[in-house]
Amino acid sequence: AQSVTQLGSHVSVSEGALVLLRCNYSSSVPPYLFWYVQYPNQGLQLLLKYTTGATLVKGINGFEAEFKKSETSFHLTKPSAHMSDAAEYFCAVSKGSQGNLIFGKGTKLSVKP
Amino acid sequence: DVKVTQSSRYLVKRTGEKVFLECVQDMDHENMFWYRQDPGLGLRLIYFSYDVKMKEKGDIPEGYSVSREKKERFSLILESASTNQTSMYLCASSPAVGGSISGANVLTFGAGSRLTVL
Repeated sequence: AQSVTQLGSHVSVSEGALVLLRCNYSSSVPPYLFWYVQYPNQGLQLLLKYTTGATLVKGINGFEAEFKKSETSFHLTKPSAHMSDAAEYFCAVSKGSQGNLIFGKGTKLSVKP
Repeated sequence: DVKVTQSSRYLVKRTGEKVFLECVQDMDHENMFWYRQDPGLGLRLIYFSYDVKMKEKGDIPEGYSVSREKKERFSLILESASTNQTSMYLCASSPAVGGSISGANVLTFGAGSRLTVL
């Protein structure tokens, strides 16, 4: 069965610092992996996804994630945090053929000036 | 632009009331989903539908039902609301997996409906 673990419910960084949000997954089949972002009082937006091919995936707003099969990880990074990155981030793995996703519990990112 | 619209952003209901949450998508997507979001628990799937009049239970279907009479509309129904159903409800849609690989499994979410049951 598929599952997702996000390490750290809250992460705080200074503006300009590296952002690293951790995600580990469990899947019995080659996974589709996603990162979504949720800004306050909004729905979720897709940041990036991994399906097949290149293991380093670039997304919107300067974020990227690397699929590491040996570590069953899909960590999200951004070299330099901006105040506008403050939001909640969700890692997800695809379950089933109809496209339903299993989400992690989320990591709330705070960015200090 | 791809759009999922949830009719009510905020609702306040009383225990025992019947509650309808409506969701409409304009992207001709086959799949539609209802999730609930609670702090510290992330998103949990309530029900999903992969075709008109078809529905599948998700991880937490108890106390909920759904209706999909038209492709673009997916309704979540709380037959008798209870205080433990106070939550944020998120609707999403996605194209069928048989479509393009870049579209497979990508969910587009609505803005959410925050329900408070008193």
